[in-house]
Amino acid sequence: DAKTTQPPSMDCAEGRAANLPCNHSTISGNEYVYWYRQIHSQGPQYIIHGLKNNETNEMASLIITEDRKSSTLILPHATLRDTAVYYCIVSSRGSTLGRLYFGRGTQLTVWP
Amino acid sequence: GAGVSQSPSNKVTEKGKDVELRCDPISGHTALYWYRQRLGQGLEFLIYFQGNSAPDKSGLPSDRFSAERTGESVSTLTIQRTQQEDSAVYLCASSLQGAGLSTDTQYFGPGTRLTVL
Repeated sequence: DAKTTQPPSMDCAEGRAANLPCNHSTISGNEYVYWYRQIHSQGPQYIIHGLKNNETNEMASLIITEDRKSSTLILPHATLRDTAVYYCIVSSRGSTLGRLYFGRGTQLTVWP
Repeated sequence: GAGVSQSPSNKVTEKGKDVELRCDPISGHTALYWYRQRLGQGLEFLIYFQGNSAPDKSGLPSDRFSAERTGESVSTLTIQRTQQEDSAVYLCASSLQGAGLSTDTQYFGPGTRLTVL
């Protein structure tokens, strides 16, 4: 399973864009990149996922490099409620059907 | 309810007692997952159901842990003879199809916080 590397923490001013990087250099061709976040004391919340094209939804944008070895999650106008741990995950294949591998993630702190 | 629900939200038990944790997945979701999250740690996979069968139980930490799912709906995670190291938040997720489809999004419940005294 592809592993991901994220910075342990980042901060961002309220109203500014938050850009969260993720490295996944061993990703294989048919694996997707997923982003989840976990606000304190809550279950993880799905944000967005993609294969190789950039994706955008109402929560965020996902930019995946052409070689697919890294990606960036962009929260265009961060608010205090976006303070959370953000997890970058590459989908699991093979015998370990279905499971998601959560690493330590990035603690994003949005300050006023 | 539109989301995954779990009960109880909090459970305090004494060492050696058995506990049952319940998960109600999103209606129509055939895949169901249990994870564990210790304080300050990431999520740890426990078991995965496709329908009522469990093709992947590899994450269950010991034979004190078991899970079942009935009617392709509700699942219960049972921990027998609880130990203090079992204290954690137990999270349940469901997805529409499962079976390792890489585009199948998992949606999580709020979790059950288990404290073993």
